[in-house]
Amino acid sequence: ETGVTQTPRHLVMGMTNKKSLKCEQHLGHNAMYWYKQSAKKPLELMFVYSLEERVENNSVPSRFSPECPNSSHLFLHLHTLQPEDSALYLCASSQGSGRDQNTGELFFGEGSRLTVL
Amino acid sequence: AQSVAQPEDQVNVAEGNPLTVKCTYSVSGNPYLFWYVQYPNRGLQFLLKYITGDNLVKGSYGFEAEFNKSQTSFHLKKPSALVSDSALYFCAVRPRNSGYSTLTFGKGTMLLVSP
Repeated sequence: ETGVTQTPRHLVMGMTNKKSLKCEQHLGHNAMYWYKQSAKKPLELMFVYSLEERVENNSVPSRFSPECPNSSHLFLHLHTLQPEDSALYLCASSQGSGRDQNTGELFFGEGSRLTVL
Repeated sequence: AQSVAQPEDQVNVAEGNPLTVKCTYSVSGNPYLFWYVQYPNRGLQFLLKYITGDNLVKGSYGFEAEFNKSQTSFHLKKPSALVSDSALYFCAVRPRNSGYSTLTFGKGTMLLVSP
């Protein structure tokens, strides 16, 4: 049983659809992350939220829009995606928000498998 | 910029034999180093980490890893492999003062343990 829950586990959408991925962490952490995992590529960090503020955005296209309403919830809003956006989207959380308070251990959810037709 | 190299796409080993999954890194200063494992259709699970101190780190499921500063390596090892160890393994690095746990991951190595 993971402390980070992602829904839906699988999503198929057309290029003109709007959908959202949801992540919830039950670990009391105050930093949350979105990663993209594509076949045969390293994990790509997309967004980082610390204390509900976005602290990193790694040049992600605007068709991906994150939202962090509180420290336990993280959303990834999707609109007008492309087929190359098909991937496994992983949410993670960690404890601590300042320098060296957090030694980097991330807790991942099971992922949301996205297919864009 | 930091980077992680996992030179092998796949490692094959027979059950009961020792296994090694290789990882080298490039980062300024002293790093934090991590290994994660991913089973099919699952998220990543933390295995072990090197912070400071003893270069040999012990982790979950009997895995261990050795930090070698001169070779900038952090190879994952297990004395006796199990079929259930078959999974995708990721090495990751984070500079010590980077904040917000912005890990850089390698591309992963698939471990296949045959009966």
